[in-house]
Amino acid sequence: DTAVSQTPKYLVTQMGNDKSIKCEQNLGHDTMYWYKQDSKKFLKIMFSYNNKELIINETVPNRFSPKSPDKAHLNLHINSLELGDSAVYFCASSQAGTTNIQYFGAGTRLSVL
Amino acid sequence: SQQGEEDPQALSIQEGENATMNCSYKTSINNLQWYRQNSGRGLVHLILIRSNEREKHSGRLRVTLDTSKKSSSLLITASRAADTASYFCAPELNRDDKIIFGKGTRLHILP
Repeated sequence: DTAVSQTPKYLVTQMGNDKSIKCEQNLGHDTMYWYKQDSKKFLKIMFSYNNKELIINETVPNRFSPKSPDKAHLNLHINSLELGDSAVYFCASSQAGTTNIQYFGAGTRLSVL
Repeated sequence: SQQGEEDPQALSIQEGENATMNCSYKTSINNLQWYRQNSGRGLVHLILIRSNEREKHSGRLRVTLDTSKKSSSLLITASRAADTASYFCAPELNRDDKIIFGKGTRLHILP
């Protein structure tokens, strides 16, 4: 049983398209995150949701829109994809009020052509 | 500004040797975590050290924390081929409980 699962694992698309990445966690956590890891392996937080409420929104273009239908799911929709969006996107979850240990999904490798 | 900067960026050692990675951060923290990332995979939590702790052990891992120098180190003893991965430190900032990752140290264990 995968604790944090995200789909798809690979995503290849043309510039200008709109795409979504889905994430689900079965750990019962109340906080979920989206991270972007670039080609230099720098891992940067994009968004964080706690109980479906947005709590962290770093400086991310508004073409990126997270959506949390419930606390077990956090999806990421990206409009008008650009070449610079190519990266690996990771979903993670944690339980607030504890040690904030994060559990990561396997990542979605997005390639924009 | 970037927190959790690891040093060195890359490290190659012979199997059986010890590997030491360092981490520096800039502001007060609640705790500091270390994660491992195998190629093509997500990060996996290894160990957490609280701000009032100075050293912690878990199996072949030893973590130290010096809050006066705002630095931490991760020591892996008796390295194995399976330890080949990238290692990230992640300080949890005191001001907003946010965890900040750096670029990691790429560790390569030579057979």
